[in-house]
Amino acid sequence: NAGVTQTPKFRILKIGQSMTLQCTQDMNHNYMYWYRQDPGMGLKLIYYSVGAGITDKGEVPNGYNVSRSTTEDFPLRLELAAPSQTSVYFCASSYSLDTGGETFFGQGTRLTVV
Amino acid sequence: EDKVVQSPLSLVVHEGDTVTLNCSYEVTNFRSLLWYKQEKKAPTFLFMLTSSGIEKKSGRLSSILDKKELFSILNITATQTGDSAVYLCAAQGAQKLVFGQGTRLTINP
Repeated sequence: NAGVTQTPKFRILKIGQSMTLQCTQDMNHNYMYWYRQDPGMGLKLIYYSVGAGITDKGEVPNGYNVSRSTTEDFPLRLELAAPSQTSVYFCASSYSLDTGGETFFGQGTRLTVV
Repeated sequence: EDKVVQSPLSLVVHEGDTVTLNCSYEVTNFRSLLWYKQEKKAPTFLFMLTSSGIEKKSGRLSSILDKKELFSILNITATQTGDSAVYLCAAQGAQKLVFGQGTRLTINP
């Protein structure tokens, strides 16, 4: 079982470059999330989606964009990378809030902006 | 604004000690409280709590939720060096899972 798959695992970007962090899940989950985790801190919600075609901002959306064209995929786009976006990014998914709500996480993407 | 606050932020104890980690929350349309253990990579699921006063146990770990006081605790008895990790508490609202900042637990031999 693949679960939640994120790519790439590591990336170094120069200031002003763009990139897309890929996330896909094979569990037919409705809910998908992007979090960032700075050193020594908890996870902060960037964007989330409750189903295909629906996305909404989380706690720290500035500098990011998302799309949800299919149930499986939820890519995160950085348009103009800044040093403040250096972080570890986690994609996560869950089936339904009503049936248990265990959230599954990808293995993370470590992004450094220099 | 939804928020989850954990305490202490950092805790160092000796192997064999018992520890209690705290989590308070204020989340709109609260549904459940989750605990995760994070070592080097992604968080791994420990418990989900939805009802007040019902303790959940898994080996040496246990957790309980107080929905009146908006509070949860995670207990670890007879700690081992393998318990060293960051423990994250998260509150599930109507659509969002909101995380606390985590408690970094270090178990010294």
